[in-house]
Amino acid sequence: SQELEQSPQSLIVQEGKNLTINCTSSKTLYGLYWYKQKYGEGLIFLMMLQKGGEEKSHEKITAKLDEKKQQSSLHITASQPSHAGIYLCGADPDSNYQLIWGAGTKLIIKP
Amino acid sequence: DVKVTQSSRYLVKRTGEKVFLECVQDMDHENMFWYRQDPGLGLRLIYFSYDVKMKEKGDIPEGYSVSREKKERFSLILESASTNQTSMYLCASSFPLVADTQPDEQFFGPGTRLTVL
Repeated sequence: SQELEQSPQSLIVQEGKNLTINCTSSKTLYGLYWYKQKYGEGLIFLMMLQKGGEEKSHEKITAKLDEKKQQSSLHITASQPSHAGIYLCGADPDSNYQLIWGAGTKLIIKP
Repeated sequence: DVKVTQSSRYLVKRTGEKVFLECVQDMDHENMFWYRQDPGLGLRLIYFSYDVKMKEKGDIPEGYSVSREKKERFSLILESASTNQTSMYLCASSFPLVADTQPDEQFFGPGTRLTVL
């Protein structure tokens, strides 16, 4: 079955440093969604990418979808404590209601 | 702002008990979803509903049932709770899929952390 691989599983970054999280699929995706989850809470929508080569930014977070629409990266510039949490990618493989999800990347920011 | 609320943040039940998890959304969304989240496994879809009284099985429906009597409310039922159902349960809602467009983003509730003893 379709799977999304997220890497790394966890990440500890010094405050102020940049970081990248990846999300990879073996098949072309119709859409790719990035969410953030504070520990023990629900998911907050960050960005959605649809087109090959698309790039979106919000504050210090930039997400890109490759041309083949099989891989996405989430880049955080000058990380802050508020960026800590779990980042999940979700994707639509079949253009229907159901999204598939990566296992998540746990991000810890060291002060 | 879209709001998705879940009836409890934390719940402790005993094996064999019947458990009801309630989810309410206030944005008139047609679609509603129940997921469970376990470490290392990400989100797994249990059931979803695309309209009142309509439901579809997700990836892991065994041991669960759902009810959607009203558009704004989607209930997850554990008929006889077992310890392997200890998990974080997340409810989400979204607008319906429109042909040739991307599914809308899903809006999530805060989650219910269920422990079955």
